[in-house]
Amino acid sequence: QLQLQESGPGLVKPSETLSLTCTVSGDSFSNNNYYWGWVRQPPGKGLEWIGNIFYSGSTYYNPSLKSRVTISVDTSKNQFSLRLSSVTAADTAVYYCARYWQNYYYYMDVWGKGTTVTVSS
Amino acid sequence: EIVLTQSPGTLSLSPGERATLSCRASQTVISSYVAWYQQKPGQAPRLLIYGASSRATGIPDRFSGSGSRTDFTLTISGLEPEDFAVYYCQQYSSSSYTFGQGTKLEIK
Repeated sequence: QLQLQESGPGLVKPSETLSLTCTVSGDSFSNNNYYWGWVRQPPGKGLEWIGNIFYSGSTYYNPSLKSRVTISVDTSKNQFSLRLSSVTAADTAVYYCARYWQNYYYYMDVWGKGTTVTVSS
Repeated sequence: EIVLTQSPGTLSLSPGERATLSCRASQTVISSYVAWYQQKPGQAPRLLIYGASSRATGIPDRFSGSGSRTDFTLTISGLEPEDFAVYYCQQYSSSSYTFGQGTKLEIK
């Protein structure tokens, strides 16, 4: 059964870079039917799409975050990662990694449990 | 960017009743690009509906989706206690995803 697990620091200082990793287990990460990516949820608010990546390295980012976001993939480790630079308190959120189906239909069908990141000095 | 507006913000119903949740898009959306998710407190979202009307694996048939162009609906017929949660619609266009702000379905 496919599982996704987020990992990374729970506390990041303002102006620094947030770095998270998602480890995929239970399926081939290089399955070419799927993309892999990130969604976040600020406390008490709704969902915000961050971006996603194909195993070959093609990336797509939320235009509002594009200047600060990098998503990368390490197929040898079945992992993909998120880097968000120059963080502020507004980046405090639960960060979810997810698997995306993007072929005629577009949706996120498997999600990690999420990891809370707080931006504070 | 296509904006999704969900209504109502909060829906108060009793178990056994029918829930109708609306998602309106600021521009026409391709139906196959529309999905619905359920989120319970402290949990990740769960895919319910994709392609506007197709149920995801393991989703009970009391959940149904419909709609086209700018108006999409999630219907839950015969609410069960476990259905009380927050529901989000999602669309994809121009290589980006957006979500609605959510509808909270609460027990009356």
